[in-house]
Amino acid sequence: DIVMTQSALSLSVTPGEPASISCRSSQSLLRSNGHNYLDWYVQKPGKSPQLLIYLGSNRASGVPDRFSGSGSGTDFTLKISRVEAEDVGVYYCMQGLETPRTFGGGTKVEIK
Amino acid sequence: EVQLVESGGGLVQPGGSLRLSCSASGFTFSISIMHWVRLAPGKGLEYVSAIGSNGRVTRYADSVKGRFTISRDISNNMLYLQMSSLTSEDTAVYYCVKDRYPDRDFDIWGQGTVVTVSS
Repeated sequence: DIVMTQSALSLSVTPGEPASISCRSSQSLLRSNGHNYLDWYVQKPGKSPQLLIYLGSNRASGVPDRFSGSGSGTDFTLKISRVEAEDVGVYYCMQGLETPRTFGGGTKVEIK
Repeated sequence: EVQLVESGGGLVQPGGSLRLSCSASGFTFSISIMHWVRLAPGKGLEYVSAIGSNGRVTRYADSVKGRFTISRDISNNMLYLQMSSLTSEDTAVYYCVKDRYPDRDFDIWGQGTVVTVSS
C-alpha cells in the first residue's frame, strides 16, 4: 500500500498569517494522464471530513481561494494564505491512485 | 440534496458482530463507487473498504480483511458493512463515503455512526 506521511502533527497559527502543510507519498501519484491523485481533506471539530483540494491543486466547490494545493509526484503542499478562526481542524492528505486508499496521519491546525 | 446517512452503530462486545448501513440519496448510486472510512479515538482517518458500482469488486484494508464484508443493494440505494470478530481496535466513528469518478476523490461524506467495542 502507498504510505502517506504528513511531517507536522500540529500547527499553531496567528489569524491572518499564512500556514503550510506538507505531505509525502511513498510512490509517485502522477499518472500518465498528467494528473496527481492527491487530495486534501479537513475535519473540523464535531463535523465529518470534507474535501478541500482534489487532483493536487483543484479547489473543491465552495472552498475559499485562500486555500491552495501544489506539488507533483511524491511531494505536496497545502497552503492557507491567511488563516481564519474557522480554519481550525485536522487536515489530511489522501492518495487516490490506488485502492485501498491511504491517508496521511493528519495535521491539527490551531489558532494562537 | 445529495446525502449519505449511516446507521447501525452501537455498543458490541469483543468478538461480536455488527452491520452498518448507509442510505444514499440525491445522486445516481448505481454508478458510484462507495467506501467506508473510520476515525478511531485519538487517531487519524483510516481507510476501511471499497465496493465497485456493480458490487462485484471489493477492496479491504489489511486491518479488516477477513473480518469485514462490504456490500450494496442498488435497488434500495443502500451500502452495508458487515463487521465480525470485533476488537477494541475497531472502536471508531464509521463514515460512508461517495467516490467522485474519474477524479477519485471523496466528495460526499455521511455524518458517521459510532461503533464501540467493549465488554
